[in-house]
Amino acid sequence: DAGITQSPRYKITETGRQVTLMCHQTWSHSYMFWYRQDLGHGLRLIYYSAAADITDKGEVPDGYVVSRSKTENFPLTLESATRSQTSVYFCASRSGGGQGLQPQHFGDGTRLSIL
Amino acid sequence: GNSVTQMEGPVTLSEEAFLTINCTYTATGYPSLFWYVQYPGEGLQLLLKATKADDKGSNKGFEATYRKETTSFHLEKGSVQVSDSAVYFCALSAGKGAQKLVFGQGTRLTINP
Repeated sequence: DAGITQSPRYKITETGRQVTLMCHQTWSHSYMFWYRQDLGHGLRLIYYSAAADITDKGEVPDGYVVSRSKTENFPLTLESATRSQTSVYFCASRSGGGQGLQPQHFGDGTRLSIL
Repeated sequence: GNSVTQMEGPVTLSEEAFLTINCTYTATGYPSLFWYVQYPGEGLQLLLKATKADDKGSNKGFEATYRKETTSFHLEKGSVQVSDSAVYFCALSAGKGAQKLVFGQGTRLTINP
């Protein structure tokens, strides 16, 4: 089915561990985004990508790494997880046209708990 | 920098009541404005959008008008239903290129039958 899918939906890990959250979209959208959602903060942008092999930092990038070797995939890696990274993570994508008229489409999120 | 401020929740209403969720913004240039809705356990879905001053976005009985003079984009619905219970986010995108979204903190809405 067309759309944007995130995996896993739920993840529990320990501090210091590496964890990778996956995001896959089938629309061939140029732009992809990673957000974290925390109470009282809404959604905050971690990293985004304008195309394959082009990534850039958002508002809260520290402690995260991204890559985009293929247009359809945009994994987010926590290289050494900390408790402060416990959150719900959302991936989104949008097409490249329209100078902002195109909305972002969101996945269902990954709930990550770091013990 | 760009920012969005929403009325604090949670908001609890009875079915068929009138809804207003306030949203104001600060931005350079001429941002596009959005309302997204998040149902329990799901990602955000675009509810409506407006791209220039005095535009009115509408969907599913919800409306919001882009007011440049008051830098506002308040969400309204004349008669809410239980199924409207969700978290609502106001957001803006501005500038060129990636059109990154800046979100408000969200407003949780609960509708009682």
